[in-house]
Amino acid sequence: EAQVTQNPRYLITVTGKKLTVTCSQNMNHEYMSWYRQDPGLGLRQIYYSMNVEVTDKGDVPEGYKVSRKEKRNFPLILESPSPNQTSLYFCASSLAGSRVEQYFGPGTRLTVT
Amino acid sequence: RKEVEQDPGPFNVPEGATVAFNCTYSNSASQSFFWYRQDCRKEPKLLMSVYSSGNEDGRFTAQLNRASQYISLLIRDSKLSDSATYLCVVNMLGGNKLVFGAGTILRVKS
Repeated sequence: EAQVTQNPRYLITVTGKKLTVTCSQNMNHEYMSWYRQDPGLGLRQIYYSMNVEVTDKGDVPEGYKVSRKEKRNFPLILESPSPNQTSLYFCASSLAGSRVEQYFGPGTRLTVT
Repeated sequence: RKEVEQDPGPFNVPEGATVAFNCTYSNSASQSFFWYRQDCRKEPKLLMSVYSSGNEDGRFTAQLNRASQYISLLIRDSKLSDSATYLCVVNMLGGNKLVFGAGTILRVKS
């Protein structure tokens, strides 16, 4: 089944404790991206990647890191999480950039206390 | 001013009603336009792309007005299952950035 998977789906952590949220897609998509969704603000792009080893900042990259060592994986790293990073995170992928349909993962609900 | 703005609603409509949502965008160079649907606490899924000439998919019709920089979505004969949040999404010209509106909540009641 073609899909985007994220892990973990739910995470409660404490300020400053490094964490990684994994994202994987099995559709051989070139483009992958990360979003956070907060009430009243909609989805905001954190980082995106056009291909392996190519990543770019989105609108809200501060406090996040990404890597794209393999085509199928695009992990999101929070080196030192803070409470303002409490949010719902979505990974997405597409065949050809942001001008075509995006396929989203199921989301990761992160709480930082 | 937000790059993409939507009326948050909620729109509460009876089954069978016709409902329309509008979305405005600020960048006149925007290139691609979409409507996504998001059910509560779930991931967004593409409802339809929006083409310059307007397009229809069953009960759903999307229109683009570049001169006024707005996009609309019309839903005819609303079903209970149409209850969701509808996200207006715009791709910026020359970039790989997608901008999402905050969403419009639709509640269809029997």
